[in-house]
Amino acid sequence: NAGVTQTPKFRVLKTGQSMTLLCAQDMNHEYMYWYRQDPGMGLRLIHYSVGEGTTAKGEVPDGYNVSRLKKQNFLLGLESAAPSQTSVYFCASSYGATGTGFEQYFGPGTRLTVT
Amino acid sequence: AQSVTQLGSHVSVSEGALVLLRCNYSSSVPPYLFWYVQYPNQGLQLLLKYTSAATLVKGINGFEAEFKKSETSFHLTKPSAHMSDAAEYFCAVSDNSGYALNFGKGTSLLVTP
Repeated sequence: NAGVTQTPKFRVLKTGQSMTLLCAQDMNHEYMYWYRQDPGMGLRLIHYSVGEGTTAKGEVPDGYNVSRLKKQNFLLGLESAAPSQTSVYFCASSYGATGTGFEQYFGPGTRLTVT
Repeated sequence: AQSVTQLGSHVSVSEGALVLLRCNYSSSVPPYLFWYVQYPNQGLQLLLKYTSAATLVKGINGFEAEFKKSETSFHLTKPSAHMSDAAEYFCAVSDNSGYALNFGKGTSLLVTP
C-alpha cells in the first residue's frame, strides 16, 4: 500500500496563478482532509470531505476550493494564489471520524511558495 | 470548543534522559486525544491515541502518555531519549465537528549527545 500520496512535492507560483494539488489514498478511507502547516501555528484545517461527492469548510477555507469526485482522490485548488498561501500543505485520510477515535493518516506534504 | 495547548515550543534533553512533552486539553465532551510525530521534511505519523479504553496509552518507539482528567492533561513521555527521537511533536484533539483534528502548535525535541 502506498498510503496517502500527494502531487506535486514542491511548487513555486507567481501571485495570481492557479494550481491544483492532488491527494490520493489507497486505503478505502471514507474521510479526507486538507491542512496547511505554517511555522509556530501547528496544522490548520482548510477543507474536509466525509465521503465521495461531499466537501465542507474547515478553519481556514478562504482562497481555496476542493473536490472529491472519486472516493480515493481529494483535490485542493488555488484559483488566484497569494503570498499568504505560501505554506506546506498536508493531505490526510481516515477510515472513520476522529470523534469516534479513528486516527488520520498523513501524506508527505507539498511545499508551495507564492512569489 | 475542543482545543489543546502544548507547553514549550522547544525542549532539549540529553541522550538517555527522560523525555516529557506537555499537552493540556480543553473539551466540553470526553475527548479523543492523539500524539503525532513529524520528522524533518516528512508527513505526520501517529505515535499513540487515547480513546477512553485505558488512561495509560502505549505507543510506538517506546513512547507512552497518561490521560489525567483531573488535570486535563495528556503528557507524552519516554524513559530514555535516543538521538533518533529528535523531531516535532504534535498533540491533537478531535474538533467540534467530530470529523477533523485541532492541533497544538507543536514542540520541537532536540536530543544532545
